[in-house]
Amino acid sequence: GNSVTQMEGPVTLSEEAFLTINCTYTATGYPSLFWYVQYPGEGLQLLLKATKADDKGSNKGFEATYRKETTSFHLEKGSVQVSDSAVYFCALNQAGTALIFGKGTTLSVSS
Amino acid sequence: NAGVTQTPKFQVLKTGQSMTLQCAQDMNHEYMSWYRQDPGMGLRLIHYSVGAGITDQGEVPNGYNVSRSTTEDFPLRLLSAAPSQTSVYFCASSYSGQKNTEAFFGQGTRLTVV
Repeated sequence: GNSVTQMEGPVTLSEEAFLTINCTYTATGYPSLFWYVQYPGEGLQLLLKATKADDKGSNKGFEATYRKETTSFHLEKGSVQVSDSAVYFCALNQAGTALIFGKGTTLSVSS
Repeated sequence: NAGVTQTPKFQVLKTGQSMTLQCAQDMNHEYMSWYRQDPGMGLRLIHYSVGAGITDQGEVPNGYNVSRSTTEDFPLRLLSAAPSQTSVYFCASSYSGQKNTEAFFGQGTRLTVV
């Protein structure tokens, strides 16, 4: 079945450090891929998405590229800020089904 | 524009009690779903609905019932609460079930069963 695996956290970085959160997926067909972010005490909100191979999603300085050959969708940011501290979820969506999430990665950024 | 509204935000139940978690959306979305979030488990799908009158089970449906009588509302019912149902529950909606559609989430309901 479809599944998402993302790197275990927590990830602790200093402000302005480079961020990578790894995400790989297993799916039949060609799913869409998403990164959602959850700030403390809030629900999830979409950070970025990519709908086909080689697409790059980007938002707020975050980027992720849909790599079909490696079944990956790694999240990157060149310079993190304290305000980026949150839980990040990688997810996939196959048509006709609901989102399938990874277990989430907690990011803590200190000044 | 309220988006997805969940009530209550917090709830404590005794084992065996029943309750309904409410979810309403004002975006005229066809697709709605319920997830539970547990530490180290991510979000797991409980039930979902592709439109009024149509519901289906997700990954962890046992102990939960749903119905969808209107487009706007998708309540989740716990018939006899158990401590294993202690969790944070999220309702989500999207315009359609198409794979590239963004899902919008409520703020969550934190449920404790004692």
